[in-house]
Amino acid sequence: DGGITQSPKYLFRKEGQNVTLSCEQNLNHDAMYWYRQDPGQGLRLIYYSQIVNDFQKGDIAEGYSVSREKKESFPLTVTSAQKNPTAFYLCASSVWDGRFYEQYFGPGTRLTVT
Amino acid sequence: AQKVTQAQTEISVVEKEDVTLDCVYETRDTTYYLFWYKQPPSGELVFLIRRNSFDEQNEISGRYSWNFQKSTSSFNFTITASQVVDSAVYFCALSEALGQGGSEKLVFGKGTKLTVNP
Repeated sequence: DGGITQSPKYLFRKEGQNVTLSCEQNLNHDAMYWYRQDPGQGLRLIYYSQIVNDFQKGDIAEGYSVSREKKESFPLTVTSAQKNPTAFYLCASSVWDGRFYEQYFGPGTRLTVT
Repeated sequence: AQKVTQAQTEISVVEKEDVTLDCVYETRDTTYYLFWYKQPPSGELVFLIRRNSFDEQNEISGRYSWNFQKSTSSFNFTITASQVVDSAVYFCALSEALGQGGSEKLVFGKGTKLTVNP
């Protein structure tokens, strides 16, 4: 079955440590995205990548970094510079189906930093 | 900039009641898409519907129905005869083009938490 995999589902880290969240897709989609969700808030775009070896900052990129070395993988690193890293992180990918971009979401990773 | 407003933060109903979730959006685009997603306690986003800005026909899918009114920039969602399993956070979202690469992001409202009590 095609889809998006995010691992792990729950992640705990100590303050001051960098942590990398995994996102893998086997849908052959060109575009991939990272969103962040805080309690009582909608999702906000962190980074996106429209093609391999290229990525762009979204609305809240400070304190995060990404890479896109392979089409199927788009890992997100939460650095120690991110002031409030505890959140729910959702990865997505999209494909143009001739009329619009269909976005598919992964199951999410809940990161807790103490 | 695009904006989506879901004014209802939380709604609580008793099973079998009808409930309407409001969504108001702002956009300068002439072509756009509107979405509704359901987020159960597990956290994953469940896609419910996508609506093209040129199609103002209301849509019904089982107990779910959507009312798209371009004149008031609203895309409201009604659940008829609500059930406990409908309890979740519901998000309205609006598509926004990303630069010249051709892809789009979704701009989300803050969500409405629906609790259906037995």
